[in-house]
Amino acid sequence: DIQMTQSPSSLPASLGDRVTITCRASQDIGNYLRWFQQKPGKSPRLMIYGATNLAAGVPSRFSGSRSGSDYSLTISSLESEDMADYYCLQSKESPDTFGAGTKLELK
Amino acid sequence: QVQLKETGPGLVQPTQTLSITCTVSGFSLTSYYMQWVRQTPGKGLEWMGFIRSGGSTEYNSEFKSRLSISRDTSKNQVFLKMNSLKTEDTGVYYCARANWDYWGQGVMVTVSS
Repeated sequence: DIQMTQSPSSLPASLGDRVTITCRASQDIGNYLRWFQQKPGKSPRLMIYGATNLAAGVPSRFSGSRSGSDYSLTISSLESEDMADYYCLQSKESPDTFGAGTKLELK
Repeated sequence: QVQLKETGPGLVQPTQTLSITCTVSGFSLTSYYMQWVRQTPGKGLEWMGFIRSGGSTEYNSEFKSRLSISRDTSKNQVFLKMNSLKTEDTGVYYCARANWDYWGQGVMVTVSS
């Protein structure tokens, strides 16, 4: 199975900060990478698909990028509503596999 | 609009079978794959399997032969059945549409005697 190594596991940040979360794939996944946001008690929400494409309704302060086998989710200017858990997901090869998650919290 | 809703038991005894129904609206099951995912304290988010728009299925080998996914297109429902439950299967079970763009609210399942 393809392993997705997500870092950091916890990210304290302040409102207005630029933050970046990264997933590293254990083998080539092309651009078959999605990012999800999950708030407590809620189901995950698709934020990014195809590594760099913003899902419908997602604010433009979110962006996705790729450098080799490293995939990043960046929030350009953190807002209070962005405090949540974030997960990456690869869908290049079955089974689809998720990263372990990053908890974004206020510093 | 697109909606998905899971229903199922809150509590299941070890060794018993879990049955969850995902009822969808706003789209046709004959046009979209439907995925099942769970979130457990021990392993986080895990893809369990899917049923294709044509009705064939694919499963995560992690669940070996314990898992079965089926559907009733006339009722817009997808079903998950997993047998031989263990305490480690405690978690939230979600259905999601093919491209992960829509998810149900999830159903919490506790495996305990």
